[in-house]
Amino acid sequence: DAGVIQSPRHEVTEMGQEVTLRCKPISGHDYLFWYRQTMMRGLELLIYFNNNVPIDDSGMPEDRFSAKMPNASFSTLKIQPSEPRDSAVYFCASSLARVWTGGEDTEAFFGQGTRLTVV
Amino acid sequence: AQSVTQLGSHVSVSEGALVLLRCNYSSSVPPYLFWYVQYPNQGLQLLLKYTSAATLVKGINGFEAEFKKSETSFHLTKPSAHMSDAAEYFCALDNYGQNFVFGPGTRLSVLP
Repeated sequence: DAGVIQSPRHEVTEMGQEVTLRCKPISGHDYLFWYRQTMMRGLELLIYFNNNVPIDDSGMPEDRFSAKMPNASFSTLKIQPSEPRDSAVYFCASSLARVWTGGEDTEAFFGQGTRLTVV
Repeated sequence: AQSVTQLGSHVSVSEGALVLLRCNYSSSVPPYLFWYVQYPNQGLQLLLKYTSAATLVKGINGFEAEFKKSETSFHLTKPSAHMSDAAEYFCALDNYGQNFVFGPGTRLSVLP
C-alpha cells in the first residue's frame, strides 16, 4: 500500500475562499483522523471517523470547518470561508480497529500533510 | 480522561551522547503507547510502540523505550545521538481503542 495519501501538499488561498483538503486512507483501515498542526497549538485532533461515520468532531474549531467521508477510501476537510488563522499543516491519519488486530498494528499512519496558507 | 505529558519542549544533546526524552501518561485502563518522530516538512512516522507485551520496546534507528507502570512513564532513549536524529518527537496513547491522544512534542537538537 502507498500509505495515507493527502492532496494537495501545499495550498495558498485568499481569505474568504473555500479550501478542500483530500485524504485517501490505507485500504482496510477502519479509522480516519484529521489533525491540525501549528507552532502555537501543536497537534490538534479535529475530527475522526469510524467506518465512514463521524465519531467525534468536538475538535472542529468552527462551523466554517466541515469533514466528510463518503466512502472507505476518501475523506475531505473543507474550510469555507477560509481565514488567515486557518494557516497550518493539516494531517490525515488512518488506523485499524483493535478488535481486528488483537492489539497489534493499531498505530496511526500519517500522510505527508497539506500545508495551508491563507493570505 | 486520558492524557500524555512530555517534559521539556526542547532537548539538546551532543552528537554521541545519550538521548532521553520523557513521556508520562494518565490512563484508567492498560494503555497502548507510541513514539512518533517528525522530520521537517514531513508527516509523523512511528518509532516504536508498546501494546502490553514486553515492557522494553525496541524501535527503528536505535531507539528504545521502557514502559513503567508504577511510574506511568514511557521514556524514549538512544545510547548515542546522531545528527540525523534531530527532529520533533511525539509520545501518544491509544484512547480506549478509538482515537489517539498526543503529547505536545519535544524538539531534539543534536550539537556537533
